[in-house]
Order: sequence, then C-alpha cells, then structure tokens
Amino acid sequence: ILNVEQSPQSLHVQEGDSTNFTCSFPSSNFYALHWYRWETAKSPEALFVMTLNGDEKKKGRISATLNTKEGYSYLYIKGSQPEDSATYLCAFSGNTPLVFGKGTRLSVIA
Amino acid sequence: KAGVTQTPRYLIKTRGQQVTLSCSPISGHRSVSWYQQTPGQGLQFLFEYFSETQRNKGNFPGRFSGRQFSNSRSEMNVSTLELGDSALYLCASSRRREDYGYTFGSGTRLTVV
Repeated sequence: ILNVEQSPQSLHVQEGDSTNFTCSFPSSNFYALHWYRWETAKSPEALFVMTLNGDEKKKGRISATLNTKEGYSYLYIKGSQPEDSATYLCAFSGNTPLVFGKGTRLSVIA
Repeated sequence: KAGVTQTPRYLIKTRGQQVTLSCSPISGHRSVSWYQQTPGQGLQFLFEYFSETQRNKGNFPGRFSGRQFSNSRSEMNVSTLELGDSALYLCASSRRREDYGYTFGSGTRLTVV
C-alpha cells in the first residue's frame, strides 16, 4: 500500500510569516508529484505538478521543490496572507492513480 | 470554459438505499477519477476511467461501482448504503491519463441516515 505522508498536520502562522510543509512519498516507481490547495467550500485546485528530481516550481509567493531520490517535496509560502488559509494536499503518481496525503491545514492569522 | 460539474451537490439517503452520482468532465478531458473523503482521512481513490474503460479501481467493496459514457461523463453508484458511506465524493478530470494535474469538481456530499 502506497503511503504519502504530510507534515505538519496543521499550522497556525501570523500574517507576513513564511512557512513550509513537507510531503514524503515512495522513492520507487516515481512518475509525478502534485500539490493542490483546497480552500473551504471550494474544489481542490492544482498548484504544481513536478516530475523531475531537483524540480523547483514557483507561483507568486508559493514555491515547491522535489527530491525523488529520497522521496520528499517541500512547499514554501513566503509572507503568508489570510487568503493563503487552506488545506494543502500533495499527491504521488507512480504506476498507480494519484495517491493523496491527508494534507496540511494552514491558518493565517491577520 | 466550464469546469467539472458534479450533481447533485447534496444527498441524504437511508441505510440500505442506493445512490447514483454524476460527473461531467471538462470538454476534451477523457480521463475521470473518483475520490472519497471522510473526516480524518485523505482522499481515497475509488475509480479511474478513460475512454469508457475502467483503468483502475480502489480498495472499496463491490457495492461501489461506476461507469463512463461515450461523452466522457461518468457516474458512480453505491448500493445498499451504510452509515460509513457518508462522505464527500469528488470527481476529477484530466485530458489524458499521461497528462498531469487534475481539475476537481465541487463534490457531492452524501449523508446516510
């Protein structure tokens, strides 16, 4: 059974703080690693899809890195804003459909 | 362009009944996947369809079934509902299986009483 672990489970930060989360996944049969943002009462929204070891992707204040050899990815948010409050999901794709972690719930306090 | 449409948004059913959920993917997307989310759990994979063929099935009992039509719309059916089937059911589509990045629908919230 594939296991995708995310940490921390939840996080409370002050507006303006920078923060990061971790996603751990199997290092064998790697195909892609996805990050999604899921705001309350909305649908999960794709942030990044990463396929190559060493990949770094950026969208505004959010960036992600990927290490397929050791099986982890980091998501960084610089200067957190209240609108960043959401659950951040990572998902691993190997020779299988996407397997999701349980997410990191971020709350940004103004 | 229109997003992924799931109907109905909310459902309340009684134990033992059956239910059918519908998902219309983005135009041109031939792959549809279904996920279940229950409190405290991550998204659990149910099915993946591509061009009317079920490509993968998750670890769910046979009461859970699905299908995909020639227009890529997909339905999932749950028979003999149990209380534990209460969950948010999400559908996601992508252009093709090798494509990366899913577009999710808003989900169907099923409550079994």
